[in-house]
Amino acid sequence: DAGVIQSPRHEVTEMGQEVTLRCKPISGHNSLFWYRQTMMRGLELLIYFNNNVPIDDSGMPEDRFSAKMPNASFSTLKIQPSEPRDSAVYFCASTPDTDNEQFFGPGTRLTVL
Amino acid sequence: QKEVEQNSGPLSVPEGAIASLNCTYSDRVSQSFFWYRQYSGKSPELIMSIYSNGDKEDGRFTAQLNKASQYVSLLIRDSQPSDSATYLCAVNPWGGGYQKVTFGTGTKLQVIP
Repeated sequence: DAGVIQSPRHEVTEMGQEVTLRCKPISGHNSLFWYRQTMMRGLELLIYFNNNVPIDDSGMPEDRFSAKMPNASFSTLKIQPSEPRDSAVYFCASTPDTDNEQFFGPGTRLTVL
Repeated sequence: QKEVEQNSGPLSVPEGAIASLNCTYSDRVSQSFFWYRQYSGKSPELIMSIYSNGDKEDGRFTAQLNKASQYVSLLIRDSQPSDSATYLCAVNPWGGGYQKVTFGTGTKLQVIP
């Protein structure tokens, strides 16, 4: 089992550019979560999918952020346009329906200059 | 008031001592409670879950839950330098298959050799 896979692991971009983060959940897991972690705010839930359907996107900070899950094995988080305050570590996590344990990916460290 | 509160620390304990980590939550109907460990630069990993009042032991770790006081704690016996990490408390107040959890900002634990 490869665990949750995220790419890229590091991303450095300039303000105003589009950023796309990718996630492959663990096979068989029905729920997928995107988090953002900063020193100031800790780990914040951005959006939660169940069976590829967005269930709760109340944590998405603004319209510049969007997320999709076109199938059970792939999700993207897009920021357009990016701003320096978006700099953070973005984690993807997945969990099976039968359990609450969330398995986290290695994260993407985003730096917006 | 934050939904899940933890003392940010750092909490310093000597090797071999008991480390006590505390967490309070605001939603009285919360159903599920979790402790995650996060090493610096790594992703969170689940170490304990607890659903009922009382104690739950797993090796050197004991989780304690008191729903009346809205309080959950994690005890680490015989602390080792390898236990040095940030410990995140997470709470699911919804239950019923809704798997969203809210994380505290974490307590940094330092075990001094």
